[in-house]
Amino acid sequence: DAMVIQNPRYQVTQFGKPVTLSCSQTLNHNVMYWYQQKSSQAPKLLFHYYDKDFNNEADTPDNFQSRRPNTSFCFLDIRSPGLGDAAMYLCATSRVGTAAYEQYFGPGTRLTVT
Amino acid sequence: DAKTTQPTSMDCAEGRAANLPCNHSTISGNEYVYWYRQIHSQGPQYIIHGLKNNETNEMASLIITEDRKSSTLILPHATLRDTAVYYCIVRVDSGNTPLVFGKGTRLSVIA
Repeated sequence: DAMVIQNPRYQVTQFGKPVTLSCSQTLNHNVMYWYQQKSSQAPKLLFHYYDKDFNNEADTPDNFQSRRPNTSFCFLDIRSPGLGDAAMYLCATSRVGTAAYEQYFGPGTRLTVT
Repeated sequence: DAKTTQPTSMDCAEGRAANLPCNHSTISGNEYVYWYRQIHSQGPQYIIHGLKNNETNEMASLIITEDRKSSTLILPHATLRDTAVYYCIVRVDSGNTPLVFGKGTRLSVIA
C-alpha cells in the first residue's frame, strides 16, 4: 500500500553526536513536512519542502537541518543533539493540486538522547 | 496563536456517540475546519474536513454552525479503538499550508 515510511522507528544517540532520521513516501506527494512532538504535547512543525523549496519555521533551532534529494525521500539531520531534543519526530506528506489537502503522517521515529 | 479552543479531555461510553466540540471564533472565510486524531504512539490520522456545510464520511460527521464560529465532531458509535487525542485545526485550503496543531481533546472511550 502507498504510505509514508519512517526509519528507524526508535533511535538512540549520544549527547552531541549527529543523527539523521529518514522518511520516504510512495504517494508521489510534492510536499513533505517534519514535526517534533515532545511527551504529552501536540506536534510542532519544524519545516517543510514544497517540491525543492525549503520552508523553515522561524523558531526552528539551527541545530535542525533537512534534505530532500528527490520526491520520495526527506531527511532530518540533528547536528548536535541535546537532551531537550528527545522527542517523537513525525514526517508527513501532502499533494498540492488536488481537491483534498489532507496530510498523511508516518508512524514517527522516537529519538532518545543519552 | 491559538486559533481553536477544545476541552482538554472527555469520556464517552462504548457504543454511545462521542461529540467533540471546537470553538474557532476568529475563523476566516477561506479557512476550512479539519479534524485529525492521534492514537497513542502513532502518527496523526485525518478524519474529516469542511468549509461551511455539514460533512459525513465513514469515520465521523462534522457539524459546523451557521456562523462558522464553532463545530462538533461526532463519532456515532464510539469504540475502545477511538480512544485518542482529537485535534481541531483551521487552515486555508490553498496547497502547501501546513497543519498547525493545538492542544486537542483527549477522548477516553470507556467499556
